[in-house]
Parts: sequence; C-alpha cells; structure tokens
Amino acid sequence: GQNIDQPTEMTATEGAIVQINCTYQTSGFNGLFWYQQHAGEAPTFLSYNVLDGLEEKGRFSSFLSRSKGYSYLLLKELQMKDSASYLCVTSADRGSTLGRLYFGRGTQLTVWP
Amino acid sequence: GAGVSQSPRYKVAKRGQDVALRCDPISGHVSLFWYQQALGQGPEFLTYFQNEAQLDKSGLPSDRFFAERPEGSVSTLKIQRTQQEDSAVYLCASSERVSSYEQYFGPGTRLTVT
Repeated sequence: GQNIDQPTEMTATEGAIVQINCTYQTSGFNGLFWYQQHAGEAPTFLSYNVLDGLEEKGRFSSFLSRSKGYSYLLLKELQMKDSASYLCVTSADRGSTLGRLYFGRGTQLTVWP
Repeated sequence: GAGVSQSPRYKVAKRGQDVALRCDPISGHVSLFWYQQALGQGPEFLTYFQNEAQLDKSGLPSDRFFAERPEGSVSTLKIQRTQQEDSAVYLCASSERVSSYEQYFGPGTRLTVT
C-alpha cells in the first residue's frame, strides 16, 4: 500500500516563500507528483520527480529523496492565486495499474496579502 | 475537446436511487481513471480502463458501483441504491498512453445523497 503524510494547513504572505513537505512509504515506487487543486476544481499537474534531486519550473520547485521517502514543494514569490490545496501523489510501479495514483490528503495553503 | 469533461457537475439523489455519472476524456487518450474524493481528503482510486478494457476495479467500494467504457472513449460510473456515504466528488482523469505519467482531470461530479 501507500502511506503519504503531509501537513493539513499552511499559511504565508504574498511575496514570501513556502515549503510543503511530504513523506511517503510505498510498496512500489514509480515517481512522485505534486498536484494543485483550487476549491471546487479539478487537480492540475504541477511537477513530477522520479530521480533524486531538485526540479525547478518557474516559481515552483520540487525535491525528491527516494532513500528517505521524502519530497517537498517549494513555492516562491507567493501570489494570492496560489491559495489552494497541494496534493502529494505517488505512482506505483507494479500491479495491474501502472500509473495508478495515490494521493495524500492535501495541504491547504492560504496566502494573505 | 479541450479537456476532460464530466456531467452532471452536481447531482442530488435520494438514498436508494441509482445514479449515472459521465466522463468524456480527451480524444485519443488510452487510459481512463475514476477517483472518489471525500470532503477534506485527497482523491482515492476507484477503477481504471485501458481503452475499453477495465483492467483494475480494486478500488470500487462495493458491488453497488459499476463502471463501463464500451467503445474506449466515454465512460460511465453507475452507483446503484445510493447511500449517504457515497456523497463525494467523483473525478475522472485520462492520460495519453498506458505509461504516461501525466493525468488530466475533469472538473468532477459532486454527488450529494440525502
């Protein structure tokens, strides 16, 4: 199975930097994703890490350490529109459904002016 | 179409009624997933289709849940004799290839069972 742990809530102010941590335990691992979900909307893909290290994409960066079962999402220059739930997601590498996603419960980020 | 669409967006059902939720994936996408998202939780896997074949239905919570994708495009998730615990958002996602890592989600159907 998959066990994914991330904080329930975080707050930050506009222009600041915030780091959302995620730890996971998996029976098979084929990568870690971060998805963003605004209230009442569908999750949208942010990043994907399958190798250790940092992946940078504009204001967002994602880090993975497979040996530690640890990832973080770093958001820089926060904007009000970044207020959303951020979902830490793993993908299995075995079983009948390659690509099946396992979601954490999400971290609700609130950005204040 | 431009993305994954789902209908209806909102559904209120009385306990015991049957409901059918529709998903139109991105044209040509091979893989289709259904997820259930309870309030304040992350989505949980229900079932997976590769074209018209339902390859994994291990996440369906009971035999009241049934999904189909007869022609390998549109999919329908049916819930029979709905119960209050079925109240949730039902999300559909598609991906281009079997091993594609990026899934595109629809807006979901919010089901409320009264």
